[in-house]
Amino acid sequence: KNQVEQSPQSLIILEGKNCTLQCNYTVSPFSNLRWYKQDTGRGPVSLTIMTFSENTKSNGRYTATLDADTKQSSLHITASQLSDSASYICVVSLNYGGSQGNLIFGKGTKLSVKP
Amino acid sequence: ETGVTQTPRHLVMGMTNKKSLKCEQHLGHNAMYWYKQSAKKPLELMFVYNFKEQTENNSVPSRFSPECPNSSHLFLHLHTLQPEDSALYLCASSRGGYEQFFGPGTRLTVL
Repeated sequence: KNQVEQSPQSLIILEGKNCTLQCNYTVSPFSNLRWYKQDTGRGPVSLTIMTFSENTKSNGRYTATLDADTKQSSLHITASQLSDSASYICVVSLNYGGSQGNLIFGKGTKLSVKP
Repeated sequence: ETGVTQTPRHLVMGMTNKKSLKCEQHLGHNAMYWYKQSAKKPLELMFVYNFKEQTENNSVPSRFSPECPNSSHLFLHLHTLQPEDSALYLCASSRGGYEQFFGPGTRLTVL
């Protein structure tokens, strides 16, 4: 069964600290993996996308890693800011060519950054 | 903003009401989607439209009725909903199978 598991479910950190969010997936055939940020009451916004051959990708203070062998990904946030408080969702795309309904979503990690 | 707008942002309705959610994309995309997001659950794909044609319906109850008059507009017509239908309804669009851009969502409460 295609699944995406994220941990932890929720996380509280102090402003300025770093944190790492985890994503494990059992999805086949794999196409790519995205991390989305979803602010409260808003839609998800893409942070990074990685294909099978990419190990790491950065977007400002966000760095995503991918280990296709162990089917694990992580999202590292450096020097956290209050605006980083949001849910972070890991999404894996199935490689079904032109099909659009081929995304497997994790439940997300809710991050709270406190002053 | 992502280029995808949704109205209304909040909706409260009784189980006997009929209402509609609207989504509009300004990105020139050909595919549009409806998702349901409930607390502590992953996003659930409801419907997919490609060039105005419905290509997926993920066993959604008939009390949800989608309409896609053109590639830029998508509606979700609601009637005789249940309290468990209360959720955040997200619209998204994409160019083919590439990245999906999400709207801000409609927070629906069914009393």
